Parts: sequence; structure tokens; C-alpha cells
Amino acid sequence: GENVEQHPSTLSVQEGDSAVIKCTYSDSASNYFPWYKQELGKRPQLIIDIRSNVGEKKDQRIAVTLNKTAKHFSLHITETQPEDSAVYFCAASIEGGGADGLTFGKGTHLIIQP
Amino acid sequence: DTEVTQTPKHLVMGMTNKKSLKCEQHMGHRAMYWYKQKAKKPPELMFVYSYEKLSINESVPSRFSPECPNSSLLNLHLHALQPEDSALYLCASSQGFLAGELFFGEGSRLTVL
Repeated sequence: GENVEQHPSTLSVQEGDSAVIKCTYSDSASNYFPWYKQELGKRPQLIIDIRSNVGEKKDQRIAVTLNKTAKHFSLHITETQPEDSAVYFCAASIEGGGADGLTFGKGTHLIIQP
Repeated sequence: DTEVTQTPKHLVMGMTNKKSLKCEQHMGHRAMYWYKQKAKKPPELMFVYSYEKLSINESVPSRFSPECPNSSLLNLHLHALQPEDSALYLCASSQGFLAGELFFGEGSRLTVL
């Protein structure tokens, strides 16, 4: 089955700086790569996703890049703000065709220092 | 309505009790999921229903019994649980089976004494 590795496990950045979280996956058939944000005591919520037919996607301060050859994808957050503090999970799946659904990374605890 | 609602928010039960967790969505989604999440860990898939039929059971012990009475409702029946089953139980839904965004509920925090 799919295996997703996520780094770092904890990331502390100054407010206003950029944050980058990296994930690698093992199954070359995976074609859907979402990122979920989970604030303390709250539900996970999708913040951005990318499918294997594109290499990059942006939504305001958030961007995701995908390198299919190297089987890795990254989340980039620019101009970080205190409300960005949360745990971020990357995930991978074979959309609509896999047997196991999303495989999540272990999560990155992002801390924004004021 | 883009919400998945779960009840109860908190549940404390003994190892001999029988209880149920409930989940509801009115987005017309045809796939519904149960996940288990331990502290500081990612969600772990337990069950998936597609068009009200159980499609995936991730080798979950029989003390957890899912039920999908209709396309909007999902239950998780609990019986003879162990203390290690204490966790946050998250319900989710998606428009398609294993496809697209997962909409999570706020979860039911379960403590087994």
C-alpha cells in the first residue's frame, strides 16, 4: 500500500516569514494530494489539493508543488500569520480507484512566533 | 449546508457499556467515513460506506459496528470497548467514493474507563 512521509514534525517560524512542509509518497499510481489543516481541538479541513496532471497550484498565500518523478510534494505558506498555527497533514490517494482511501502523513505542527 | 454534524461531542463509557456515535450530513454526499484519531496522530480510516453499502472495513475489531440507515446518516455502535479505544472519532463525507474533498465533523471524543 501507499506510504507517505512528512517532514518536519515541528516547524517554528517568525510571523511574516515563509513555511515549507515536505512530503514523499511511495505509490506511483497515486494521483490526488490534499493538504489538511487541523487547529487544536478542531476538525481537519482541506486547505488546498493538487492532482497529478498539474505541477503547481496557488490559493492566495498557500501553494502546493508536485514532482511526480521524484514522488514528492510540498506545501508553501507565505507571509505567515498567527492563525496559521496548526497541525498540517499531507495525504495521497488513487482518486476513485484505490482500495484504501487517503493515506496521511504523520503531521507537521506549525508554530508561528509573534 | 456544508457541515457534517456529530453527536455526542464527548462520551465516557465503561468497558461493559453499549453506546452509539451518530453522524449526519445534508450535502448529498454518497460516501461516508469513520476515522479514529489519537492525540498528535493523523486520522486512521476505519470504515467507508458508498451509496449506503459498506465498501471498506480496515480490519476493525468487531466491538465497533457501523451502520448506515440512509444516505444522510451514519452510526457507529460501540460495545465492550477497551481503554485503548479512547480517541477522537471523526465522521467524514465526500461527494464521490474515495474521491475529492473530505468534509469532517468536529468529532466525538470517547473515553473508555
